[in-house]
Amino acid sequence: AQTVTQSQPEMSVQEAETVTLSCTYDTSESDYYLFWYKQPPSRQMILVIRQEAYKQQNATENRFSVNFQKAAKSFSLKISDSQLGDAAMYFCAYRSAMANYGQNFVFGPGTRLSVLP
Amino acid sequence: EAGVAQSPRYKIIEKRQSVAFWCNPISGHATLYWYQQILGQGPKLLIQFQNNGVVDDSQLPKDRFSAERLKGVDSTLKIQPAKLEDSAVYLCASSLVGITYGYTFGSGTRLTVV
Repeated sequence: AQTVTQSQPEMSVQEAETVTLSCTYDTSESDYYLFWYKQPPSRQMILVIRQEAYKQQNATENRFSVNFQKAAKSFSLKISDSQLGDAAMYFCAYRSAMANYGQNFVFGPGTRLSVLP
Repeated sequence: EAGVAQSPRYKIIEKRQSVAFWCNPISGHATLYWYQQILGQGPKLLIQFQNNGVVDDSQLPKDRFSAERLKGVDSTLKIQPAKLEDSAVYLCASSLVGITYGYTFGSGTRLTVV
């Protein structure tokens, strides 16, 4: 079974600065997807960024980028120019690409990010 | 497009009582998921439907939890009888069929069992 680990329960960053959230995962599969989700106090999970394992190029979405190291099974999220609205719980998630698997996610325990003005 | 609707937003019940949660997915989304998120943890899948059939319910505590998705649209999740450890946020999500499609999550129901 796949597992996802986030070793930083809490992080803080000064507004306009850069912060990196860590994620490691364990799988025996070669084809899969990795995600970062943001969960603000409203509780709705919001997709931040997605990475296909077969792609070597790291995904980027505006101020958000990832460092995907497939051999090391590491998938960190970098937030540049942090804004107050970035404060939330951030979850790393794994999803198998195998067609005969359910399409469900395996989530990590989350990292609470605080942004200081 | 309208999002995934869930109700109620909050619910407080006593242990051994029953409770039901409702989810209305995005129109056209054949796949529907219920996740349980205990405080301080990531969401954990309880059950996955495709249309009105169950794809995966391996982590659903079937002695007390049940779920249905009649007509392949709305879904209800029921707990009977509730235990203190069922206190959690229950998230519903939906997606189109196919591994490349993303989810849309609802805002969840926060259940407190006292």
